[in-house]
Amino acid sequence: AQSVSQHNHHVILSEAASLELGCNYSYGGTVNLFWYVQYPGQHLQLLLKYFSGDPLVKGIKGFEAEFIKSKFSFNLRKPSVQWSDTAEYFCAVMDSSYKLIFGSGTRLLVRP
Amino acid sequence: GAGVSQTPSNKVTEKGKYVELRCDPISGHTALYWYRQSLGQGPEFLIYFQGTGAADDSGLPNDRFFAVRPEGSVSTLKIQRTERGDSAVYLCASGLAGRKETQYFGPGTRLLVL
Repeated sequence: AQSVSQHNHHVILSEAASLELGCNYSYGGTVNLFWYVQYPGQHLQLLLKYFSGDPLVKGIKGFEAEFIKSKFSFNLRKPSVQWSDTAEYFCAVMDSSYKLIFGSGTRLLVRP
Repeated sequence: GAGVSQTPSNKVTEKGKYVELRCDPISGHTALYWYRQSLGQGPEFLIYFQGTGAADDSGLPNDRFFAVRPEGSVSTLKIQRTERGDSAVYLCASGLAGRKETQYFGPGTRLLVL
């Protein structure tokens, strides 16, 4: 069975700092990968997704993620975070029956 | 346009009671998913509908849980004989059929079983 690991449960950064959130998955075949974000009081929203092609994927709000097949990783990055990026971030992999398997999430707090 | 809506937003019930949670997907979306999110965890898959039929119900934890989508649009998740361990946020998502399609999530129903 596929699984997703997010090793950073809580991250605290100051504004303008760079962000990298780790995500590792267990499945070795063709993978479809996602990052979702949940802002305080809001529902889950898609940040970006990877299906094939360029392993560097750009999403909304300046986020990007790099798929590294040899490392089974799909880390999320942002060069300079803002206070408004405070949220919980979830990495997910889609399995063969189209369901999403989520990691446990990373809570990001950006201090102004 | 309108997103996925879920009602009620909060539900408090007593152990042993029956509850129904409703999901209204985005119009035209054929795929509908239910997930459950416990405190401190990511969402966990429960069931997936393609049209009216359950294409994958492997995530339902036991036979107290049941879901329907009779007309291929609105879906209802039904929980019988609720237990305290059922307390969680129940999320619904909808999308177009296909591997490359995004799943759009609703705001969830927060269920508390006392």
